[in-house]
Amino acid sequence: DSGVTQTPKHLITATGQRVTLRCSPRSGDLSVYWYQQSLDQGLQFLIQYYNGEERAKGNILERFSAQQFPDLHSELNLSSLELGDSALYFCASSVEEGDRFPTDTQYFGPGTRLTVL
Amino acid sequence: AQKITQTQPGMFVQEKEAVTLDCTYDTSDPSYGLFWYKQPSSGEMIFLIYQGSYDQQNATEGRYSLNFQKARKSANLVISASQLGDSAMYFCALCRIYNQGGKLIFGQGTELSVKP
Repeated sequence: DSGVTQTPKHLITATGQRVTLRCSPRSGDLSVYWYQQSLDQGLQFLIQYYNGEERAKGNILERFSAQQFPDLHSELNLSSLELGDSALYFCASSVEEGDRFPTDTQYFGPGTRLTVL
Repeated sequence: AQKITQTQPGMFVQEKEAVTLDCTYDTSDPSYGLFWYKQPSSGEMIFLIYQGSYDQQNATEGRYSLNFQKARKSANLVISASQLGDSAMYFCALCRIYNQGGKLIFGQGTELSVKP
């Protein structure tokens, strides 16, 4: 158990709908990262928050948004869902911003498997 | 552009033998970190081992060691004394240091099957 929690574990929804994925980082971690894992794209970085502020952005679609709350939990909102959004969405956390030596290890949650029908 | 290449989509190893999973990376940054993660069939991503670009010695963590050859830009994972529970997908990942955030760039993964 990494200490990172994600809910829900599974989510099945229809095209055009909106969903919210939730992540609680390990105690003491300030950074939260979101990754998408799909068969065709592999593991892709979406976005990072550090202590409530957006820190880095990857290949995140405009239909997707995220935020990190004062208690450091994070939510990833996916809207106008398409079939191609079906994937495993991971949240990871690390102590600091992640790009300084010694490098922080990112610990991953169990993931949320999203199926769009 | 930064890139991680894992050229072995699938590998087999006999239980109790050692196995090497290949990883090459492409970056022009002088400072970076390399990670290996394990993803069993249950889906979670488990951190295994880390190597910094300035580390003089190869990293080791229990049965895992990293064969880091900086000039060749390779960071191969060596698993000694394979166990049935080592059957999983293995991902190599690159983190760029001093580069606005700690995002990981992942390779496509290698599926390891351990045979009894």
